[in-house]
Amino acid sequence: KQEVTQIPAALSVPEGENLVLNCSFTDSAIYNLQWFRQDPGKGLTSLLLIQSSQREQTSGRLNASLDKSSGRSTLYIAASQPGDSATYLCAVTDNNAGNMLTFGGGTRLMVKP
Amino acid sequence: DAGVIQSPRHEVTEMGQEVTLRCKLISGHNSLFWYRQTMMRGLELLIYFNNNVPIDDSGMPEDRFSAKMPNASFSTLKIQPSEPRDSAVYFCASSRDRVQGYTFGSGTRLTVV
Repeated sequence: KQEVTQIPAALSVPEGENLVLNCSFTDSAIYNLQWFRQDPGKGLTSLLLIQSSQREQTSGRLNASLDKSSGRSTLYIAASQPGDSATYLCAVTDNNAGNMLTFGGGTRLMVKP
Repeated sequence: DAGVIQSPRHEVTEMGQEVTLRCKLISGHNSLFWYRQTMMRGLELLIYFNNNVPIDDSGMPEDRFSAKMPNASFSTLKIQPSEPRDSAVYFCASSRDRVQGYTFGSGTRLTVV
């Protein structure tokens, strides 16, 4: 059974810092990996999607990398801003007919002005 | 596209009452997931469908929960009878063959008193 772990569970940084959020998964047979953002009391917003054949994806100040063989992904946020404060979740879709989507527990990020 | 649409946004009901949550998929999507989110347990997968067929319902807490897809674009999650421990935010998400990742609805916040 696929298990997804995110470290750290919570992170507090001063504005302007570059930071890295980590995601690991136990079964490397994945179809893709998706990073989401969730603001308090809100739904999940997709940030980046990395297909299993890709190594990284970039969107603005966000860069996500994928090392499928080692079961790891990182989300890099450059020049963090208070507006980046949210919970960040990674989720993997298994490479089977069922399209199973498994989430990590999330990293709660606070960027202080 | 209006995205994944969930209704109602908020629901407050008394213990023992029947609750029906609704989800409209994005046109052309063929996979649907129902998740429940609480502070204690995070995101829990309840059930998912592929091409209107339930693939895995092992996450459904008990017989009080049931989910259906009466057609390719719509799903319901029913709780009967509801209990206070069912209070949570319920999300649905859809995808087209997982290729473009998953899109989440805004959720239904359920409070059972």
